[in-house]
Amino acid sequence: SAVISQKPSRDICQRGTSLTIQCQVDSQVTMMFWYRQQPGQSLTLIATANQGSEATYESGFVIDKFPISRPNLTFSTLTVSNMSPEDSSIYLCSVGARGYTFGSGTRLTVV
Amino acid sequence: AQSVSQHNHHVILSEAASLELGCNYSYGGTVNLFWYVQYPGQHLQLLLKYFSGDPLVKGIKGFEAEFIKSKFSFNLRKPSVQWSDTAEYFCAVSTTDSWGKLQFGAGTQVVVTP
Repeated sequence: SAVISQKPSRDICQRGTSLTIQCQVDSQVTMMFWYRQQPGQSLTLIATANQGSEATYESGFVIDKFPISRPNLTFSTLTVSNMSPEDSSIYLCSVGARGYTFGSGTRLTVV
Repeated sequence: AQSVSQHNHHVILSEAASLELGCNYSYGGTVNLFWYVQYPGQHLQLLLKYFSGDPLVKGIKGFEAEFIKSKFSFNLRKPSVQWSDTAEYFCAVSTTDSWGKLQFGAGTQVVVTP
């Protein structure tokens, strides 16, 4: 199965700033997924990132807040914009048609 | 909209006890089913998955799960737990309507006492 490198692994950010999270896969994949895990909660899908097209966002998530780039078949970024303490979560990327491998996550704390 | 329900939010049991975690989903079509585990401070790991075929699926670390289509269930089991099984367990579903997207249950926190 694919190996995913996600960075940063954690960060503490000031409110009002933005953070870009990177996800690098060791093989080419068509679809990449970004999830959020709020403290004490389960995982929620933010968006699906396809190479060469705009990301598709789930209900409750918008591009202005979570812009996504997918420049090629092995890389994607998620930006958390204009952060507030409510954005403090673990953000994970995922790939895979069969098995759905997850990155190690980015633990974001907004102060 | 589909949903995934995990019956227990918190389970405490002793080492060597048997574990069964319930998972039900609401979707009438073809599903792919997963169990993930998240050990304290670590990232999600896939325990096992079901796509088709034998409804009894064996995974890593001695876990197994049974898909019962008529009950829309995919319960996770382990005959004898160890202290190292202390973790949070997530059931997840993907469907033909939402290919590639995983819908997660709320998770079950399992604590195994020595």
